Amino acid sequence: QSVLTQPPSVSGAPGQRITISCTGSSSNIGAGFDVHWYQQVPGTAPKLLIYGNTNRPSGVPDRFSGSKSGTSASLTITGLQAEDEADYYCQSYDSNLTGSKVFGGGTKLTVL
Amino acid sequence: QVQLLESGPRLVKPSQTLSLTCTVSGDSFRSGHYFWSWIRQPAGKGLQWIGRVSSSGSTSYNPSLKSRVTMSGDTSKNQFSLTLTSVTAADTAVYYCARGDINWYYFDYWGQGTLVTVSS
Repeated sequence: QSVLTQPPSVSGAPGQRITISCTGSSSNIGAGFDVHWYQQVPGTAPKLLIYGNTNRPSGVPDRFSGSKSGTSASLTITGLQAEDEADYYCQSYDSNLTGSKVFGGGTKLTVL
Repeated sequence: QVQLLESGPRLVKPSQTLSLTCTVSGDSFRSGHYFWSWIRQPAGKGLQWIGRVSSSGSTSYNPSLKSRVTMSGDTSKNQFSLTLTSVTAADTAVYYCARGDINWYYFDYWGQGTLVTVSS
């Protein structure tokens, strides 16, 4: 069971907007620790998508955006494209688990 | 361009020790701006952070694995390593090495991953 909770799956049609939630607690997201998001195409390594809740690394399209409020964070993808079909993971830091970087269980995005 | 490459045995027998090395290129393991981590992913499952080592040699491990994990770095070879003792089938996974930012705690560069199978 993951420390951060994500929906197992989401889906959307090309061009639509989808949101993936990441729910934590007072020892991680709620404690003010940053949330980061990764995209993982099956068979490949995860790729950093969003860091520090809202920041995009160079090369990541602005269709991807992140937000954080209270004990939760969200990843939003607008203008959905077929190439966005992948697994998405949130990640943060948990103060109850000394030094631990914690991941969500992952969300499978299907582009219909 | 920063690149990380995992190496080590792909098959380990139950109760034995898993050992992996990550070779860093395009950056220095000595860099004080980053830490160096191992992360694993069982087939069809999510990511699990195993631990991290910094250029100073300080380490931090996932509490659930702490009793079996050791990490270290070799600045002369620009490498860092993972040792996991007393392995079982539950340790079968793709193992990734990754670079982490010491201020933000995100992982910006990952190795391609290596599948380690625990089986007799």
